Amino acid sequence: DVVMTQSPLSLPVTLGQPASISCRSSQSLVYSDGNTYLNWFQQRPGQSPRRLIYKVFNRDSGVPDRFSGSGSGTDFTLKISRVEAEDVGVYYCMQGTHWPPYSFGQGTKLEIK
Amino acid sequence: EVQLVESGGGLVQPGGSLRLSCEASGFSFSSYEMNWVRQAPGKGLEWVSYSSRSGTTTYYADSVKGRFTISRDNAKNSLYLQMSSLRAEDTAVYYCATLDGGIAVDYWGQGTRVTVSS
Repeated sequence: DVVMTQSPLSLPVTLGQPASISCRSSQSLVYSDGNTYLNWFQQRPGQSPRRLIYKVFNRDSGVPDRFSGSGSGTDFTLKISRVEAEDVGVYYCMQGTHWPPYSFGQGTKLEIK
Repeated sequence: EVQLVESGGGLVQPGGSLRLSCEASGFSFSSYEMNWVRQAPGKGLEWVSYSSRSGTTTYYADSVKGRFTISRDNAKNSLYLQMSSLRAEDTAVYYCATLDGGIAVDYWGQGTRVTVSS
């Protein structure tokens, strides 16, 4: 099974400053169709998860453009250009290339300093 | 408005059974593969089970294989998870979700809480 490893697990950020979360997979996430099925989810306190990014860099509808995804192969990054108060929560990466099973990272808790 | 509404959670004793339901509205349910994902208290997300659009293909996490059964009724726009031989470690909020990373939409329900305890 593919293991997803996120870092850091805790991310204190000052409002208006950038933030970056790393996600590494135990094997390449490039699928035979050429796509890389790496997603990013946000879970605000007390809420259900919400997908932000799919296939590495594609933003879901309604997601602010301060969120961006990048990476390839086994190394991926979620960046927030300027953190806002509403960004507080836990962020998960998830791979959908080598499934079943789908596998999630451990989660990165973003808080405001 | 797209909605996924889970129900059926509750308190059950170890070894007991429970059936979760997820009712969809606002989108063409039969066109989407569906999944159950759970989250134990204070923990991360764990994929549990998958159903193809027709329900003929299903997959399970090793942790629930042989104990949980996923099914769907497209005429009722509903997804189910029959859980048996429940253990304390099955205690979690259970979400139904599309999870298809190849398409431009992704839907999640609000979750239903399952507590396995004597």
